[in-house]
Amino acid sequence: DVKVTQSSRYLVKRTGEKVFLECVQDMDHENMFWYRQDPGLGLRLIYFSYDVKMKEKGDIPEGYSVSREKKERFSLILESASTNQTSMYLCASSPLGGRVNQPQHFGDGTRLSIL
Amino acid sequence: SQQGEEDPQALSIQEGENATMNCSYKTSINNLQWYRQNSGRGLVHLILIRSNEREKHSGRLRVTLDTSKKSSSLLITASRAADTASYFCATGRAQKLVFGQGTRLTINP
Repeated sequence: DVKVTQSSRYLVKRTGEKVFLECVQDMDHENMFWYRQDPGLGLRLIYFSYDVKMKEKGDIPEGYSVSREKKERFSLILESASTNQTSMYLCASSPLGGRVNQPQHFGDGTRLSIL
Repeated sequence: SQQGEEDPQALSIQEGENATMNCSYKTSINNLQWYRQNSGRGLVHLILIRSNEREKHSGRLRVTLDTSKKSSSLLITASRAADTASYFCATGRAQKLVFGQGTRLTINP
């Protein structure tokens, strides 16, 4: 079974801090994704990576950056945390697909609170 | 931008009844996927239906796709308490998926 592991289930940080969220997958998937999930807004894609050192902005990249130095690890960085970044953050991975998208495998999420 | 829209937003039924959730989308698709999310957990992939398929089954799940109406439905038969969760449809966009806001399903004992 594919396992996607997010480093923390719960995290509390202060406004202005630089925050790192880590995600590791064990199935050699090419694609990795970071989403945030908010009530009433569903899942929104922050960033997407289709290969090591390759990244693509999603729908809401402002205030975030990502790093993918190794295939199995995809990090989300909040450069200067703000209270409106309090949210549930979900990491996912999938193999490369052709015309048909491959199913995504999700971690259990990090509930981040910015005080 | 929102692609899939689920309906209803919330559904509460008795154990043993069938649950039907609907998803509508705006643009043409190659495939549509359904996911389940238990409270406080990540999403779990349930089923994928390709644009040239009309119906697909997996255990107690039945998914239909009507590309002319740009809609899909997920039917869960003989519901159980463990089916209580949120259900999301997702449509493909290049290598990415766009998720709807989900249907919250509650199964009452």
